[in-house]
Amino acid sequence: GAGVSQSPRYKVAKRGQDVALRCDPISGHVSLFWYQQALGQGPEFLTYFQNEAQLDKSGLPSDRFFAERPEGSVSTLKIQRTQQEDSAVYLCASSLGTGGFYEQYFGPGTRLTVT
Amino acid sequence: AQTVTQSQPEMSVQEAETVTLSCTYDTSESDYYLFWYKQPPSRQMILVIRQEAYKQQNATENRFSVNFQKAAKSFSLKISDSQLGDAAMYFCAYRSQQSGGANSKLTFGKGITLSVRP
Repeated sequence: GAGVSQSPRYKVAKRGQDVALRCDPISGHVSLFWYQQALGQGPEFLTYFQNEAQLDKSGLPSDRFFAERPEGSVSTLKIQRTQQEDSAVYLCASSLGTGGFYEQYFGPGTRLTVT
Repeated sequence: AQTVTQSQPEMSVQEAETVTLSCTYDTSESDYYLFWYKQPPSRQMILVIRQEAYKQQNATENRFSVNFQKAAKSFSLKISDSQLGDAAMYFCAYRSQQSGGANSKLTFGKGITLSVRP
């Protein structure tokens, strides 16, 4: 079956522009996660949804970052007034359930470059 | 808060040989999961192997096995009969066994780049 998809795969933004990154999770997956991966580093947690509810947004680095999942399926991560330090790969992952037992399946990521 | 440490940034192994990747972690929890993920260049991250902390037996998946030392908070990955396709970045990760909210996230180490020499 189809895996997690993300679009666009690559995004170049000028500093100060707003961007929107999309994640299509595996159909039926309850949990959805966003991670930020800087070059040569491990992914770092940004936010977590259980269905449409955003249960944890403790990893969002500033109030310029906003995520939503209005119908409990597709999710969008929005970054306002982008800065150079926002340049990273943004990974989306989904899992069937909510507990640690459930495997997280990752998308290919969106590479954001802010110039 | 949990932390995961991978202190080796790079490793190299000859094809068909065995290599061990190291990982240590810190947590105050007694029940949790540990993972090794593989991230090939420009490709998505995939799960290699998982270990439940309550299980004493080390997990194995074909050529991949772990050495889980709970008291030492150590979780190493052994790759046997290394293949060219094993070349990738490998991440060690931790997840709480508790469900919901902040417990659901994965905490990753910085990763290690494995190269395989033909």
